[in-house]
Amino acid sequence: DAKTTQPTSMDCAEGRAANLPCNHSTISGNEYVYWYRQIHSQGPQYIIHGLKNNETNEMASLIITEDRKSSTLILPHATLRDTAVYYCIVISSGNTGKLIFGQGTTLQVKP
Amino acid sequence: EAQVTQNPRYLITVTGKKLTVTCSQNMNHEYMSWYRQDPGLGLRQIYYSMNVEVTDKGDVPEGYKVSRKEKRNFPLILESPSPNQTSLYFCASSLWGRGRGTEAFFGQGTRLTVV
Repeated sequence: DAKTTQPTSMDCAEGRAANLPCNHSTISGNEYVYWYRQIHSQGPQYIIHGLKNNETNEMASLIITEDRKSSTLILPHATLRDTAVYYCIVISSGNTGKLIFGQGTTLQVKP
Repeated sequence: EAQVTQNPRYLITVTGKKLTVTCSQNMNHEYMSWYRQDPGLGLRQIYYSMNVEVTDKGDVPEGYKVSRKEKRNFPLILESPSPNQTSLYFCASSLWGRGRGTEAFFGQGTRLTVV
């Protein structure tokens, strides 16, 4: 599975959009991009995933570049409850289901 | 409500005293797994199961056992706990073990301290 690179930390003002980048330059054609978050030692929570097209759900939007080497998770109106560690994970379709969590990005939403 | 339930949430035990952490899911998921989370090391997979009676080692299986006798339950067994197994443990389940559809649901965690 491809390795991902994320900034260690980011700040965002409450009510503004939070844009969290992820670099996955070695991604291959059958690999999906998944995003999870972990709020203060709770169990990780699935957010969204995509292959090549942009995706949106009730929590967030996922923008994947055309070459698929990077992506951005967008939380459109960040709240204090969105303060968490966000993990970008690349998983192949042949994967056994193991999620490889890197260090993630600690997002601090400030009032 | 779809959920993964772990018990206990907190446990302090002594070295060598066998313990079991239970995990149960109510979503009829085939795939279940256990992770441990340690500062600076992130989340690492211990064991996983792709269906009933099918289990396999993850990245850090030493000192742990699992069983999958029923689809909904996937207990984690520490036969002889040691202090280096002090950690935060998470159970997860998902509908399908392969890349597509790996939307995993995690339990709330079990904080284990071995003294």
